[in-house]
Amino acid sequence: EAGVAQSPRYKIIEKRQSVAFWCNPISGHATLYWYQQILGQGPKLLIQFQNNGVVDDSQLPKDRFSAERLKGVDSTLKIQPAKLEDSAVYLCASSSGPFSYEQYFGPGTRLTVT
Amino acid sequence: AQSVSQHNHHVILSEAASLELGCNYSYGGTVNLFWYVQYPGQHLQLLLKYFSGDPLVKGIKGFEAEFIKSKFSFNLRKPSVQWSDTAEYFCAVNRDNYGQNFVFGPGTRLSVLP
Repeated sequence: EAGVAQSPRYKIIEKRQSVAFWCNPISGHATLYWYQQILGQGPKLLIQFQNNGVVDDSQLPKDRFSAERLKGVDSTLKIQPAKLEDSAVYLCASSSGPFSYEQYFGPGTRLTVT
Repeated sequence: AQSVSQHNHHVILSEAASLELGCNYSYGGTVNLFWYVQYPGQHLQLLLKYFSGDPLVKGIKGFEAEFIKSKFSFNLRKPSVQWSDTAEYFCAVNRDNYGQNFVFGPGTRLSVLP
């Protein structure tokens, strides 16, 4: 089966600019996660969707980050405006449901904010 | 807040040596426990998981982990490592019954010398 797709793979922007990341989960997976992984750290959950509803966004910096999953399939994560500390790899993962627990990760988008 | 710690930032072993990577978590309730692995240039992938039952769980590629509830630990072991085990290893925890609130540890980088 096809894996989790993410684009772009790399992005370099200046601070205060905007950026968007796209994720297409494994077909049929109802649960979608966005993580931020700063160099040298483990992934930090930003937001979790169940179909097109938000299950958990407690760690999403809502003043600058937003995410949507309008049709319950693919998802976009946006940062507006970006700060230097947003430099990280943004990972998307999906699972067949909230209780299946095995997450399948995409390759990630490496964001550099200058 | 729930947190996960991993004892070692970087472990260097020779081939055939035994491996044990430590993981401790802070949450006091029922938890689900995971080890994920990221090989160089590849996506994060599940190595093994514990939900309930036998506290000694076996995963792929000869890895196993033991859940010790009294110590809030879930250490990863392998009796004899290979050069191909060189990777970053992440311990992760989430709370039972909600399928959410995944928390990853900071990761341990394992380098196996041929």
